[in-house]
Amino acid sequence: GENVEQHPSTLSVQEGDSAVIKCTYSDSASNYFPWYKQELGKRPQLIIDIRSNVGEKKDQRIAVTLNKTAKHFSLHITETQPEDSAVYFCAATAMDSNYQLIWGAGTKLIIKP
Amino acid sequence: NAGVTQTPKFRILKIGQSMTLQCAQDMNHNYMYWYRQDPGMGLKLIYYSVGAGITDKGEVPNGYNVSRSTTEDFPLRLELAAPSQTSVYFCASRLTGLGYGYTFGSGTRLTVV
Repeated sequence: GENVEQHPSTLSVQEGDSAVIKCTYSDSASNYFPWYKQELGKRPQLIIDIRSNVGEKKDQRIAVTLNKTAKHFSLHITETQPEDSAVYFCAATAMDSNYQLIWGAGTKLIIKP
Repeated sequence: NAGVTQTPKFRILKIGQSMTLQCAQDMNHNYMYWYRQDPGMGLKLIYYSVGAGITDKGEVPNGYNVSRSTTEDFPLRLELAAPSQTSVYFCASRLTGLGYGYTFGSGTRLTVV
């Protein structure tokens, strides 16, 4: 089955700098890769996603890149702001399990003022 | 649309008591999921359903039961509560097919004492 690894577990960056979180997956058949943001005490919320027929997708300060050959995808946040502080989860579709999402362990992003 | 609604938001149970966590969605989503999230940890799948009358176990189903009599509702039953079931429980739903993200409810924070 699918397995998703996420790095780093904690990332601390200066406000205004960029942050990059990387995930690798094991099933080459996976074709959908969402990213979720979870603020403290809140529910996970979808912030961006990418399908396997696309290499990159942007939404304002957030971008996701996908390398199918290497089986990894990354979240890029530019010009970080205090409100970007949260835990970020990546996920990949499990093709052999009714397309449920297999989750990474999460990255705690800390924005230093 | 209200999205995914979970009740109650908070609950304290005594060891051995039982309760039902309610989850309802009004988006006509066939797929529904129950996750638990322990403090500082990721999401663990308890049960999921691909449609009314169909349920299946996730990675941590012991101590829980579910039913899915309608498309809208997916209650989670805890029998004989144990301290190890202290957690935040999230219900989620999504559209049928590949490439759709999950919409999460606001969660139920359960403490077993």
